[in-house]
Amino acid sequence: ETGVTQTPRHLVMGMTNKKSLKCEQHLGHNAMYWYKQSAKKPLELMFVYSLEERVENNSVPSRFSPECPNSSHLFLHLHTLQPEDSALYLCASSQESGADIQETQYFGPGTRLLVL
Amino acid sequence: QKEVEQDPGPLSVPEGAIVSLNCTYSNSAFQYFMWYRQYSRKGPELLMYTYSSGNKEDGRFTAQVDKSSKYISLFIRDSQPSDSATYLCAMALGNYGGSQGNLIFGKGTKLSVKP
Repeated sequence: ETGVTQTPRHLVMGMTNKKSLKCEQHLGHNAMYWYKQSAKKPLELMFVYSLEERVENNSVPSRFSPECPNSSHLFLHLHTLQPEDSALYLCASSQESGADIQETQYFGPGTRLLVL
Repeated sequence: QKEVEQDPGPLSVPEGAIVSLNCTYSNSAFQYFMWYRQYSRKGPELLMYTYSSGNKEDGRFTAQVDKSSKYISLFIRDSQPSDSATYLCAMALGNYGGSQGNLIFGKGTKLSVKP
């Protein structure tokens, strides 16, 4: 496996279900991200982890719960979602050097989520 | 006013045409400007990266940043059907560190290059 992988690629869930999205990066990076991509809307940053510490949480509802057990893996736990949460959820990773430059983010293929 | 404005298209051009994709932005503090390409059912991939103003060329692709006008462009020369994708502009204030490094994306422009 190379790059950033995500599973599952597609997910259909009811509003009362609990599910988890998984992301794994094989690039040796130290930062990982969750984004939400909805139709006709810009990519929205949800969470950022750097060195397994959460450094950003962009006012995301508590029904989304991230977990970063190590620098290679990132999860997004979902519970009691709403139909408007249906979207493509993208994971990304980057190598943050601490220098004053913007590091390239590498994206996974995404999980297409449908909430019924 | 949204931070980053991008016409979602769709934009349809014949093969071989020159394509111009644009974004405008409101925050004059943005320093880093990127173009991502996203094929259907794939995640975005970085295409071009520019720091501050100026031009950058890579093969058939040229990125331009005009900070005085708060306007960025991506030009594709000799467009090919394989260039058909959604193109996302993105920008950031500065280096990674809290919200300073967060990327702000445009909505994306869907491009179709017809053979």
